Amino acid sequence: AQSVTQLDSQVPVFEEAPVELRCNYSSSVSVYLFWYVQYPNQGLQLLLKYLSGSTLVKGINGFEAEFNKSQTSFHLRKPSVHISDSAEYFCAVRPSGNTPLVFGKGTRLSVIA
Amino acid sequence: GAVVSQHPSRVICKSGTSVKIECRSLDFQATTMFWYRQFPKQSLMLMATSNEGSKATYEQGVEKDKFLINHASLTLSTLTVTSAHPEDSSFYICSARESGLAGAGVFGPGTRLTVL
Repeated sequence: AQSVTQLDSQVPVFEEAPVELRCNYSSSVSVYLFWYVQYPNQGLQLLLKYLSGSTLVKGINGFEAEFNKSQTSFHLRKPSVHISDSAEYFCAVRPSGNTPLVFGKGTRLSVIA
Repeated sequence: GAVVSQHPSRVICKSGTSVKIECRSLDFQATTMFWYRQFPKQSLMLMATSNEGSKATYEQGVEKDKFLINHASLTLSTLTVTSAHPEDSSFYICSARESGLAGAGVFGPGTRLTVL
């Protein structure tokens, strides 16, 4: 079965500093990878996704992620965070085909002024 | 872009009552819809997969008689929490996907259920 590990449950970072949120997955087959953001009491918003092609994926709000097949990782990065980036971030994976997403436990990003 | 709506956004009910949550794909046909629940400060847990015109597939540990799912059309799936109890209080989120697409599908905004 697929699993997703988000190594950090909370990440505090100062405003305008860079941030990396880590995500590792377990799979021996091709997968699709996603990052979502969730603000309090709201649904999920897709930040970016990797389906195929270039391993560096750029998303909304200045975020990007790099797919590393050998390390089975899909870490999310932003070079300079804003207060408004404070939210919960979820990494998700699914194999090809009509299968549901499997989510990591989430990382709470807290941006400090 | 594709949009998924959920109704209601919030519901408060008494213990023992049933609550119906609707999930609609507004501008595309969703052959598959997924229902998730999220407890406070936790991740999303898949409850069931719903394919239009067929019975839903429930994840292990999810009571199919308690969480009734109907996917009668390509744009609507409903989740009914029957005889709700306080432990059913949670954030319920649906996701809808078009046939043949490799993407994640589109998530609804969620429904906050509080059972008193």
